[in-house]
Amino acid sequence: DAGVIQSPRHEVTEMGQEVTLRCKPISGHNSLFWYRQTMMRGLELLIYFNNNVPIDDSGMPEDRFSAKMPNASFSTLKIQPSEPRDSAVYFCASNGQGAGELFFGEGSRLTVL
Amino acid sequence: GENVEQHPSTLSVQEGDSAVIKCTYSDSASNYFPWYKQELGKGPQLIIDIRSNVGEKKDQRIAVTLNKTAKHFSLHITETQPEDSAVYFCAHSGYSSASKIIFGSGTRLSIRP
Repeated sequence: DAGVIQSPRHEVTEMGQEVTLRCKPISGHNSLFWYRQTMMRGLELLIYFNNNVPIDDSGMPEDRFSAKMPNASFSTLKIQPSEPRDSAVYFCASNGQGAGELFFGEGSRLTVL
Repeated sequence: GENVEQHPSTLSVQEGDSAVIKCTYSDSASNYFPWYKQELGKGPQLIIDIRSNVGEKKDQRIAVTLNKTAKHFSLHITETQPEDSAVYFCAHSGYSSASKIIFGSGTRLSIRP
């Protein structure tokens, strides 16, 4: 099993640019989570999906952030326009029906200059 | 609310000694309490979890205790080894793959040789 796959692993961009982060969950998992990790705020849950449907997006910081899950094997987190305070490591995680364990990807480190 | 408080934020112990990390939650509906270990440059990984119908669970050198009345749970690592150095996160949620899994702020554990 390849695990949760995220891309890109690293991205450096300039303020105002659009950023798209991608995630492929583990095959067969029906829940997908996006987290943001910073030194100041720790691991924050941004949004999670169940069966491709967004269940709770209350953690999404503002309208500049959006997430989609067009099918069971792919999700995107988009920031438009990006700002320096968006710099963080963004993690995608997935888990299966009735199972508590979250399987995390290796993260996407975003730096906005 | 949903938050979980984790203490201490940093912990340094002598190799071979025990380490204890504590978390407190306030949502009485919480019934699933996992612990994750995060190594440098990687995503968090589940090391042990406990559900609300159990007071203690042990897996080799790692144990977790839960006090539902007091709403706190703890991670115990005995006979610590250098490879235990990492950041540890407690978390909690209701039992369902679609439930929000909320993380504590993390404890950076260092094992002194």
